[in-house]
Amino acid sequence: EAQVTQNPRYLITVTGKKLTVTCSQNMNHEYMSWYRQDPGLGLRQIYYSMNVEATDKGDVPEGYKVSRKEKRNFPLILESPSPNQTSLYFCASKPGRAGIYGYTFGSGTRLTVV
Amino acid sequence: GDSVTQMEGPVTLSEEAFLTINCTYTATGYPSLFWYVQYPGEGLQLLLKATKADDKGSNKGFEATYRKETTSFHLEKGSVQVSDSAVYFCALTPYGNNRLAFGKGNQVVVIP
Repeated sequence: EAQVTQNPRYLITVTGKKLTVTCSQNMNHEYMSWYRQDPGLGLRQIYYSMNVEATDKGDVPEGYKVSRKEKRNFPLILESPSPNQTSLYFCASKPGRAGIYGYTFGSGTRLTVV
Repeated sequence: GDSVTQMEGPVTLSEEAFLTINCTYTATGYPSLFWYVQYPGEGLQLLLKATKADDKGSNKGFEATYRKETTSFHLEKGSVQVSDSAVYFCALTPYGNNRLAFGKGNQVVVIP
């Protein structure tokens, strides 16, 4: 089944403790992206990657890092999480850069930072 | 900048009623337009899309037409079911760009 898999689904952590949210897709998609979803603010892009070793900032990149060493994986790293990073996170992928492609989304990771 | 505006507030309606969710956009050129649906506890799913003016996207009984003259992409369904209860997001990708801009979303609740 074609899908984007995120782990974990739920995570509670403490301020300052480094964490990684994994994302993997099995569709050989070139383009991957991370979004956060917050009430009243909708979905905002954190980082995106156009291909292996090609990443760039989205609208809200502060406090996050990403890497794209393999085509299928695009982990999101929070080096020093803070409570304002409590949110619902989605990884997504699409076949290429062209705007005509729609995204396939993962099921989400609900992160709570205390 | 490029943006999407959806009507404020949740939408509550009875089963078999007609559903319309308004979406207007601001963008230069000819963006690609999308509707995504998010069921409770799940990620977003692509519902339909249109990539040029006057295109009609359709899926699962839902339709939306790309109207360049009114910069709109309203979502419609003729007869909703309880299983259509979800949050619906309108989104666009500007021409020549791969960024995806979302509207705030509309919660749709269908009552039996």
